[in-house]
Amino acid sequence: KAGVTQTPRYLIKTRGQQVTLSCSPISGHRSVSWYQQTPGQGLQFLFEYFSETQRNKGNFPGRFSGRQFSNSRSEMNVSTLELGDSALYLCASSLLPGTVNTEAFFGQGTRLTVV
Amino acid sequence: DAKTTQPNSMESNEEEPVHLPCNHSTISGTDYIHWYRQLPSQGPEYVIHGLTSNVNNRMASLAIAEDRKSSTLILHRATLRDAAVYYCVEGGADGLTFGKGTHLIIQP
Repeated sequence: KAGVTQTPRYLIKTRGQQVTLSCSPISGHRSVSWYQQTPGQGLQFLFEYFSETQRNKGNFPGRFSGRQFSNSRSEMNVSTLELGDSALYLCASSLLPGTVNTEAFFGQGTRLTVV
Repeated sequence: DAKTTQPNSMESNEEEPVHLPCNHSTISGTDYIHWYRQLPSQGPEYVIHGLTSNVNNRMASLAIAEDRKSSTLILHRATLRDAAVYYCVEGGADGLTFGKGTHLIIQP
């Protein structure tokens, strides 16, 4: 069974640009969550999608957005990039909505560097 | 800010048990306690989770205090492959809230 696939693995963007990251969940999983990992703040929840609907959103500015398609694949978008957006962006999929009582499977992440 | 507190690092010997502690001072009654671990250049990997009772699976055991203010992840017989950063996590309405993690070092 294929795991969670994130593309691209590495990305370099310039301040002010926008970026789109992609996540393909495990087959059959309809919940996709996104996390940002930085050395200073650690792992922080961005948002969760289930059946194409955003269920929860973390404490991030509106420049961070996402969507989920009917095949459960998800994309997240960051507009007007800032240097502080440099991070590892992780996607996690799970069978059930919410992450309270379910196991989440993480991808390897997309390393975004903003210069 | 992380809601859980963990030691920054711990060291153990191969083939010995390891007890990784975590404090959950503000955990709500409905939040589950999860543990994940992360190897360099990889995403976090699920280890175990529970609500109130102690839990066992093929990877580890989770001991949860009666007042749920602390938990302990137990690796029964550590191997070199268990060297990783172990995150104590609270699962609630705001998704998974990760602690800062404990860097576990295994000595051969």
